[in-house]
Amino acid sequence: EPEVTQTPSHQVTQMGQEVILRCVPISNHLYFYWYRQILGQKVEFLVSFYNNEISEKSEIFDDQFSVERPDGSNFTLKIRSTKLEDSAMYFCASSESDGAYYEQYFGPGTRLTVT
Amino acid sequence: AQKVTQAQTEISVVEKEDVTLDCVYETRDTTYYLFWYKQPPSGELVFLIRRNSFDEQNEISGRYSWNFQKSTSSFNFTITASQVVDSAVYFCALSGSGNNRKLIWGLGTSLAVNP
Repeated sequence: EPEVTQTPSHQVTQMGQEVILRCVPISNHLYFYWYRQILGQKVEFLVSFYNNEISEKSEIFDDQFSVERPDGSNFTLKIRSTKLEDSAMYFCASSESDGAYYEQYFGPGTRLTVT
Repeated sequence: AQKVTQAQTEISVVEKEDVTLDCVYETRDTTYYLFWYKQPPSGELVFLIRRNSFDEQNEISGRYSWNFQKSTSSFNFTITASQVVDSAVYFCALSGSGNNRKLIWGLGTSLAVNP
């Protein structure tokens, strides 16, 4: 069964460093998302991406964040200068195109620890 | 504004008991989608069910059932004859249609099923 994959599973970085989180969505999916979950808290939407551009972003997704689909398979989230409060689990998700059935399938997550 | 409320933060039951997880939502959209996801201790997000706003039929899948009532803006989830493997955090989520596809999440209900 196709699945969303994410690398690395755990990333430790120092405050102020740049990190890139990688995701490979399901191959025929056209919508891509990033969410984050601070430990013990709810899942929060960061950004959605469609047709090679951001379709929606939350207030969390400030200038420190960027997303890119550098090739036909990868979808990346970059944090330019990490802060302690960026420590969280980051989930990538993808969904099919239009239609009634577009549940988002999630990757296993990348745990980001900023020290 | 869209909002999802899961009033039960933690539930503890003994194996074989039935348990219902409550979800109340708010939205002004006429077309919207409701979801339940399971997050086991391993941390991944597992899709359980999607319901669209035009389909109020209840659904049963094995020991799981869902009760969608637009009149009370609720989408409750019942596990019949709970098992230890059901122990997880369960999230209810809401999304709109068209370009408004981001998932708005509840705080989650942590379910502990004890032997």
